[in-house]
Amino acid sequence: DVQMTQSPTSLSASVGDRVTITCQASQDISKYLSWYQQKPGKAPKLLIYDSSNLETGVPSRFSGGGSGTDFTFTISSLQPEDIATYYCQQYDKLPPVTFGGGTKVEMK
Amino acid sequence: EVHLLESGGGLVRPGGALRLSCAASGFTFSTYAMSWVRQAPGKGLEWVSGISGSGGNTYYADSVKGRFTISRDNSKNTLYLQMNSLRVEDTAVYYCAKEKLDYESSGYYLHGIFGSWGQGTLVTVSS
Repeated sequence: DVQMTQSPTSLSASVGDRVTITCQASQDISKYLSWYQQKPGKAPKLLIYDSSNLETGVPSRFSGGGSGTDFTFTISSLQPEDIATYYCQQYDKLPPVTFGGGTKVEMK
Repeated sequence: EVHLLESGGGLVRPGGALRLSCAASGFTFSTYAMSWVRQAPGKGLEWVSGISGSGGNTYYADSVKGRFTISRDNSKNTLYLQMNSLRVEDTAVYYCAKEKLDYESSGYYLHGIFGSWGQGTLVTVSS
């Protein structure tokens, strides 16, 4: 199975800050990586797929990149409504689909 | 608008069984693969099982293989998860999730991009 390692596990930032999360796959997954946002008590929401494609309706301050084993997720200007936990997920070598452990983004 | 509504969760003893349902609307159900993803209290996301649009191809995580069975009734637009021999570690919120792309667009029976999610149903396994 492909192991997905996210870092950091949590971070604290101020409104307007640039926030970056990294995700590393245990083997080459090409571009087949998604990012999800999950707010407390809610279901996850797809933000980005194929490493860098923004899902319809998702604000452009969210972006993603990378290929192979190393990926990044960026919020260019953190907004209060972005407080959530973010998960990466690979879908190149399945089953199983595998998720990273999550990054909790908090407001400073 | 896509709508997914899970039901069937509850409290069950270790070794017991439960069947979850996910009623779907707002899209052509039979053309999309579906999955179950769970989240233990305070933990991350874990994919559990997936099924192709026709129901002819099923996939499982090793942690549930042989105990859980995924199925679908395309005439009722409903996805199921039959959970047998439940363990304490199966305690979680179970979400059903719809693929973003249908088979014609992705070329895969299970692609793995989850474009829509239900609100989840809580399964608690405890004595």
